[in-house]
Amino acid sequence: DSGVTQTPKHLITATGQRVTLRCSPRSGDLSVYWYQQSLDQGLQFLIQYYNGEERAKGNILERFSAQQFPDLHSELNLSSLELGDSALYFCASSVGAGSYNEQFFGPGTRLTVL
Amino acid sequence: AQSVTQLDSQVPVFEEAPVELRCNYSSSVSVYLFWYVQYPNQGLQLLLKYLSGSTLVKGINGFEAEFNKSQTSFHLRKPSVHISDTAEYFCAVSDIGGAQKLVFGQGTRLTINP
Repeated sequence: DSGVTQTPKHLITATGQRVTLRCSPRSGDLSVYWYQQSLDQGLQFLIQYYNGEERAKGNILERFSAQQFPDLHSELNLSSLELGDSALYFCASSVGAGSYNEQFFGPGTRLTVL
Repeated sequence: AQSVTQLDSQVPVFEEAPVELRCNYSSSVSVYLFWYVQYPNQGLQLLLKYLSGSTLVKGINGFEAEFNKSQTSFHLRKPSVHISDTAEYFCAVSDIGGAQKLVFGQGTRLTINP
């Protein structure tokens, strides 16, 4: 158990819908990262927040947005869903903002878009 | 921009045999290097990382990796594998001082046969 929690574990929805994925980082960690893992794209970095502020951005679509709240939990919002958005979404956390910090990964949320 | 190539998508080995999982990277700047492991239906876990100093890095579960700057490689090795090492292994890189996002390879599935 990494100490990072993600809810829900599974999500099944239809095209065009909007969903919210939630992540609680390990106690004491200020950085939260979001990743997408799919068969065709592999594991891709989406976005990083550090202590409430956006720190780094990767291949995140405009239909996707995220935020980190004052209690440090984070939410990833996916809207106008397409079939290709079906994937495993991971959240990770680390103590600091630098990439040399070990990232601790949650168990993931499996999103299926029908 | 960085990129990571894991030369083998699948590696089958017999139990107690040695294994090497190959990773090459491309970057125009200095980088940090990582190996993560993903057990079935779990998130990723850090095996080891190279930040600076000795090019031979030892990690958890008996794994080690060697950083070779001239060949831009960071191959992962274990002298004797166990059934419990069956998992997917990901090599990752991030630039030092830049956006500091992790860029992952496509993964290598290690299968241990009894």
